[in-house]
Amino acid sequence: DGGITQSPKYLFRKEGQNVTLSCEQNLNHDAMYWYRQDPGQGLRLIYYSQIVNDFQKGDIAEGYSVSREKKESFPLTVTSAQKNPTAFYLCASSPTESSGNTIYFGEGSWLTVV
Amino acid sequence: DQQVKQNSPSLSVQEGRISILNCDYTNSMFDYFLWYKKYPAEGPTFLISISSIKDKNEDGRFTVFLNKSAKHLSLHIVPSQPGDSAVYFCAARAGGTSYGKLTFGQGTILTVHP
Repeated sequence: DGGITQSPKYLFRKEGQNVTLSCEQNLNHDAMYWYRQDPGQGLRLIYYSQIVNDFQKGDIAEGYSVSREKKESFPLTVTSAQKNPTAFYLCASSPTESSGNTIYFGEGSWLTVV
Repeated sequence: DQQVKQNSPSLSVQEGRISILNCDYTNSMFDYFLWYKKYPAEGPTFLISISSIKDKNEDGRFTVFLNKSAKHLSLHIVPSQPGDSAVYFCAARAGGTSYGKLTFGQGTILTVHP
């Protein structure tokens, strides 16, 4: 089945550690995105990439890093510089030339700092 | 600076009645609006969208209304069903930006009672 796979679903991190969240899509989409959701809040854009080897900061990029070495993969690293990393992280993808509603989300990854 | 606002954190309706979810925005550059439905610990799923050139769009039980002068949109669900119980997010996109570069509201928790 085509879709977006995020892993792990649940992740615990000790303070001061970097962690990487995986996102893979087999939809042949050009663009990929990372969003963060905090309780009682909407989704906020962290980073996005419209083509391989290129990415842009979103609204809350501080403390995060990404790479886009392959079209189907867009991993997100939560660094120790991120002050409040505990959140629900959502990866998404979309084609670059299409109607406006074609953005697809993965199932999300829960990150908890302990 | 909350550019997309959903001022009602929750809404409770009886099965069979109408559910009306509201959303306000401030950015005049937004020209495309979407509604997503989300269950806990899952990714959002697309419901319905509307372009700024329209003032209404229908899809089955779901209708979205856009009032550009008031910078307000609403989602109507008729008739409401218990399976509609979820968090509903309003999202907006500015013209000329990547399809997935969305600004989300805080969400409204809809509960439909049998």
